[in-house]
Amino acid sequence: DAGITQSPRHKVTETGTPVTLRCHQTENHRYMYWYRQDPGHGLRLIHYSYGVKDTDKGEVSDGYSVSRSKTEDFLLTLESATSSQTSVYFCAISESRVDGYTFGSGTRLTVV
Amino acid sequence: GIQVEQSPPDLILQEGANSTLRCNFSDSVNNLQWFHQNPWGQLINLFYIPSGTKQNGRLSATTVATERYSLLYISSSQTTDSGVYFCAVELVSTLGRLYFGRGTQLTVWP
Repeated sequence: DAGITQSPRHKVTETGTPVTLRCHQTENHRYMYWYRQDPGHGLRLIHYSYGVKDTDKGEVSDGYSVSRSKTEDFLLTLESATSSQTSVYFCAISESRVDGYTFGSGTRLTVV
Repeated sequence: GIQVEQSPPDLILQEGANSTLRCNFSDSVNNLQWFHQNPWGQLINLFYIPSGTKQNGRLSATTVATERYSLLYISSSQTTDSGVYFCAVELVSTLGRLYFGRGTQLTVWP
């Protein structure tokens, strides 16, 4: 979807290194979300944001931090990447909580 | 814990057939959505449907909130319908958090 972009699309990194994934939106939506998708687990919420500098934890937040200093950008940081964080990461946006989500194209992260 | 159960886990159809996918959830729902993940991994929102019935072309969905289930109907299936269909719910008890079921893998053969 042109209104939401994730970068990078693919990344290979070494265990113990910091990694930051970026989600950028042009829709001016208030809510932004980070999910990870793994075989056998479906999509699981990592963190979400309900406004600039307002964030909260999801169901699998350990080892991840987020920041939102501008409406359009939501950053996901792995402070010290581990092999268990190898996954596909999806960002999503919504205009309100009672609204449909729009997902980005995903970032495939491999931690070796 | 929170439960979002989808059935069947796998479905194989001939082109032109109809199908019904089901989503059961464990609590009162504030938000319910159906998504299609195509073979290239892109997630597309099909319906936002916390209650009632909606239709979009060959697809329709019904949520009966009082009985805690939702159904997705696909009529006259096409090969492009292949992929994984996810139900996702935000329960009243977990506001702000959309939980996904494990999906139904649909394969449509020509």
